[in-house]
Amino acid sequence: EDQVTQSPEALRLQEGESSSLNCSYTVSGLRGLFWYRQDPGKGPEFLFTLYSAGEEKEKERLKATLTKKESFLHITAPKPEDSATYLCAALRGTGRRALTFGSGTRLQVQP
Amino acid sequence: KAGVTQTPRYLIKTRGQQVTLSCSPISGHRSVSWYQQTPGQGLQFLFEYFSETQRNKGNFPGRFSGRQFSNSRSEMNVSTLELGDSALYLCASSRGASGNTDTQYFGPGTRLTVL
Repeated sequence: EDQVTQSPEALRLQEGESSSLNCSYTVSGLRGLFWYRQDPGKGPEFLFTLYSAGEEKEKERLKATLTKKESFLHITAPKPEDSATYLCAALRGTGRRALTFGSGTRLQVQP
Repeated sequence: KAGVTQTPRYLIKTRGQQVTLSCSPISGHRSVSWYQQTPGQGLQFLFEYFSETQRNKGNFPGRFSGRQFSNSRSEMNVSTLELGDSALYLCASSRGASGNTDTQYFGPGTRLTVL
């Protein structure tokens, strides 16, 4: 059975304090690893897609990386507006085109 | 480009009733997927429609059903509502070509409360 596990569940940072969020996955033949950001009461907002081990993508203060077993979302010098829940999701290589989501990391950045 | 829209945004129903939720995908997107989000279970896949056909289905009871129209708009229906059906229902659209790994873009969701 496909599994995606995110850690930590919650993270509190001071503004400017860099950190990383972890997403480990057990998915048959991974075809894509997706990162989303979700604000309270809203739908997930797409951030990145990673397709193969070694791939990296960046957007402003965020950088996502992928290995054969896990993905990291690095947040450099975060600002209070980066506070949100960050979700990762995996798409398997065969069968259903359904995303398997992790439970998310709730990030709070304090000024 | 307009994003995914979902209506209504909020619904309150009582046990035993049925409900229909609507989703309009991004223009040009032909695949619509539905997800249920609850605090306990997180985001769980319900089903996916492409070209008016259900292509995939998650592990939900038959009370949950959906359909897609020729303009790619989709509806999902939940019959005989239970308290546990209270959740945020999210619709996601993608271009949807078979075997494609294209990104799914989410709507704002419909918050369903069952009393």
